[in-house]
Amino acid sequence: ILNVEQSPQSLHVQEGDSTNFTCSFPSSNFYALHWYRWETAKSPEALFVMTLNGDEKKKGRISATLNTKEGYSYLYIKGSQPEDSATYLCASNSGGSNYKLTFGKGTLLTVNP
Amino acid sequence: DAGITQSPRHKVTETGTPVTLRCHQTENHRYMYWYRQDPGHGLRLIHYSYGVKDTDKGEVSDGYSVSRSKTEDFLLTLESATSSQTSVYFCAISRTVDNQPQHFGDGTRLSIL
Repeated sequence: ILNVEQSPQSLHVQEGDSTNFTCSFPSSNFYALHWYRWETAKSPEALFVMTLNGDEKKKGRISATLNTKEGYSYLYIKGSQPEDSATYLCASNSGGSNYKLTFGKGTLLTVNP
Repeated sequence: DAGITQSPRHKVTETGTPVTLRCHQTENHRYMYWYRQDPGHGLRLIHYSYGVKDTDKGEVSDGYSVSRSKTEDFLLTLESATSSQTSVYFCAISRTVDNQPQHFGDGTRLSIL
């Protein structure tokens, strides 16, 4: 079983703060790294899919970077807003099976107004 | 939003009864997945399909079977439900496995008493 680890497990920030989370994954046989945003009582929503070492993706105030050689990805949120409160999941399909995504347990972000 | 419908949305049943959950998509995506979500575990893959009649096991497949007789439908069956299978079940679809995200249904909350 692939190990995808996310840190921190939870995070509380004030509105306007910038923040970042980490996802680590096995670097062997890497195919892709996914980030999802999951609001309470909803279903996960895709943010980014990254495949190349050094990839950087951006969507509004959210951006992500990828280092496939060392097996980590960072997700950044600039100027956090209360509506950014959610669980952020990363998932990887490295390790020999490009069909199967293995998800981390997520980082729960709470943005206080 | 991706056209994914899960049914039923909620179900309460008794230990030992068979249960079938349905995932229906209108996107003509090749890949379909069943996950379960449990506190402390995040999303775990049960089974997946890479085409009609082509399925394989995921991380937590014991006690579950699946069928995919046509592109749009992926069924998850609990042959004899147990209390440990109480969970929220999510279906997901994707066009490819390399650089496309997965799109999730709204989930089915299953309680086994």
